[in-house]
Amino acid sequence: EVQLVESGGGLVQPGGSLRLSCSASGFTFSSYAMHWVRQAPGKGLEYVSAISSNGGSTYYADSVKGRFTISRDNSKNTLYLQMSSLRAEDTAVYYCVKPYNWNSNWFDPWGQGTLVTVSS
Amino acid sequence: EIVMTQSPATLSVSPGERATLSCRASQSVSSNLAWYQQKPGQAPRLLIYGASTRATGIPARFSGSGSGTEFTLTISSLQSEDFAVYYCQQYNNWPVTFGGGTKVEIK
Repeated sequence: EVQLVESGGGLVQPGGSLRLSCSASGFTFSSYAMHWVRQAPGKGLEYVSAISSNGGSTYYADSVKGRFTISRDNSKNTLYLQMSSLRAEDTAVYYCVKPYNWNSNWFDPWGQGTLVTVSS
Repeated sequence: EIVMTQSPATLSVSPGERATLSCRASQSVSSNLAWYQQKPGQAPRLLIYGASTRATGIPARFSGSGSGTEFTLTISSLQSEDFAVYYCQQYNNWPVTFGGGTKVEIK
């Protein structure tokens, strides 16, 4: 069974930093690009970032470009999202998502999410 | 960036009735569209991809149709567990984008 387990969320002050982790199991992690999607409280889904299977290529939404860094450790089956210069508008549940197939850009499954709250 | 617009924002339906949800793309996305269901406090779950292909384990009462810019998700006979928020997502162009969601509530 494919499992994605996020961790690292919490309360952080504006301007602060946080690193999210996503531990993956049940599939060949190193064969898949991986993604982060977020959801602000009571709002819809926003695509945040992607990383290729070998980590050589990354993508960031304009809203986080220059502040967030996606990375992965294929030896540990773990995906990361380093977030810095955090703003109130970054408050959201952050989901780690796996592509349905190795070359697809629709997602299944989703992790349970980790809540990041940016507030003083 | 392709803008996905879902309508209505809220749909009130009685159990056993049919629900029809719409999703419109700002430009053609071919058939590269997925639908997700999200229940309160849970992560989204994939229902449909390729506009009309049900994901593994999804009941036959869920069906998707459309291509280009107009898409529909139909739930043929609503069950209690189907009351949730539904999102469409295009993956024809990068970056992928999501619609704002349709909440299906009990009438």
